[in-house]
Amino acid sequence: SQTIHQWPATLVQPVGSPLSLECTVEGTSNPNLYWYRQAAGRGLQLLFYSVGIGQISSEVPQNLSASRPQDRQFILSSKKLLLSDSGFYLCAWSVGWGGFSNEQFFGPGTRLTVL
Amino acid sequence: QQQVKQSPQSLIVQKGGISIINCAYENTAFDYFPWYQQFPGKGPALLIAIRPDVSEKKEGRFTISFNKSAKQFSLHIMDSQPGDSATYFCAANNQAGTALIFGKGTTLSVSS
Repeated sequence: SQTIHQWPATLVQPVGSPLSLECTVEGTSNPNLYWYRQAAGRGLQLLFYSVGIGQISSEVPQNLSASRPQDRQFILSSKKLLLSDSGFYLCAWSVGWGGFSNEQFFGPGTRLTVL
Repeated sequence: QQQVKQSPQSLIVQKGGISIINCAYENTAFDYFPWYQQFPGKGPALLIAIRPDVSEKKEGRFTISFNKSAKQFSLHIMDSQPGDSATYFCAANNQAGTALIFGKGTTLSVSS
């Protein structure tokens, strides 16, 4: 069966510090991978998606970036965090074969607080 | 046209009652409509999903009703239980889309 991991589970960072959140998927190959952010009282906002190694598409311009160094690894980064970057970050995967599959499965999330 | 509008924002239901959450969309190209359940501090979990070629789908106590002409779909939770207390999100994804478009969520509280 497929499993998706995210770490860390919680993170408190000062404004201006760097960020690195990691997501890994087990039990599948060539998944489509996604990063979402969830703000309090709001829905999920898509930040980045990837259909393969090194292939990243950005949905929302901001000071965040994403990378996919391995097939089942997806990393969310920032060089300098802003207060507005606080939120609940969710990684998701779906079955891919170079395209997009409808069913998406989410990881446990990372709660980021920027002070 | 890429929005999914969800209502109500919050809902309180007695144990054993029926919980109903509604969503509306504008883009007729959407062809996949899932519902997710999220508990506090956890990631959303896929609950049930429907495609426009059927008007209703039922899985246990959860039913999706779909009205293609009205561009609306709803989640019905029969015999609601305290364990159903969570936030529910509707979403949509079209064939050419890159990911899911989510509604803003409904916080359901089932009182015992």
